[in-house]
Amino acid sequence: DTEVTQTPKHLVMGMTNKKSLKCEQHMGHRAMYWYKQKAKKPPELMFVYSYEKLSINESVPSRFSPECPNSSLLNLHLHALQPEDSALYLCASSQDGPGRGFFYEQYFGPGTRLTVT
Amino acid sequence: GNSVTQMEGPVTLSEEAFLTINCTYTATGYPSLFWYVQYPGEGLQLLLKATKADDKGSNKGFEATYRKETTSFHLEKGSVQVSDSAVYFCALSPANTGKLIFGQGTTLQVKP
Repeated sequence: DTEVTQTPKHLVMGMTNKKSLKCEQHMGHRAMYWYKQKAKKPPELMFVYSYEKLSINESVPSRFSPECPNSSLLNLHLHALQPEDSALYLCASSQDGPGRGFFYEQYFGPGTRLTVT
Repeated sequence: GNSVTQMEGPVTLSEEAFLTINCTYTATGYPSLFWYVQYPGEGLQLLLKATKADDKGSNKGFEATYRKETTSFHLEKGSVQVSDSAVYFCALSPANTGKLIFGQGTTLQVKP
């Protein structure tokens, strides 16, 4: 089973709201990723967790706050977002992560479509 | 630096036509190469991969060969179907980085 699940599927939030995106995988993968994808563009990496520790932060604004409660779960906490943050947010996982000597393919979830009003 | 260049789309084909989507890359070292597909309203699905020179990745009738001498990883399919209509992303991962570097994506439209 190569399934990554994400909730919610759609989210509409105001600029003063606080919300969270959730991602889950049960493949025993030790690396998990958040990407942002704008329409007609490739995904852009935001964060990487490896063995439940933040490994890469691609200079993402602090209004996005990731959390990895355990090896199967990844959250993205959202606060005081701007309309330009509206996008498809994709979660991915891989067997292992950066600096582990090899690259393992990433498996993506279906995404959360976020609209900031 | 590392980068991926894909042919611009959209690519429009009739059903059962032969498909080629060109992908070339620039990378230091020995990256792994991937094709991902994104159907409308969905996330990315791994289509195929190759981890070293001359490897051929294949899946669902799609093929791509890792050509180090031409720094290319072109996607091919002998006979496309309407259900193949999607956006195709070529990507590379530099060794040991955990990062995927994507091309801009190529939209494929297959007409009956």
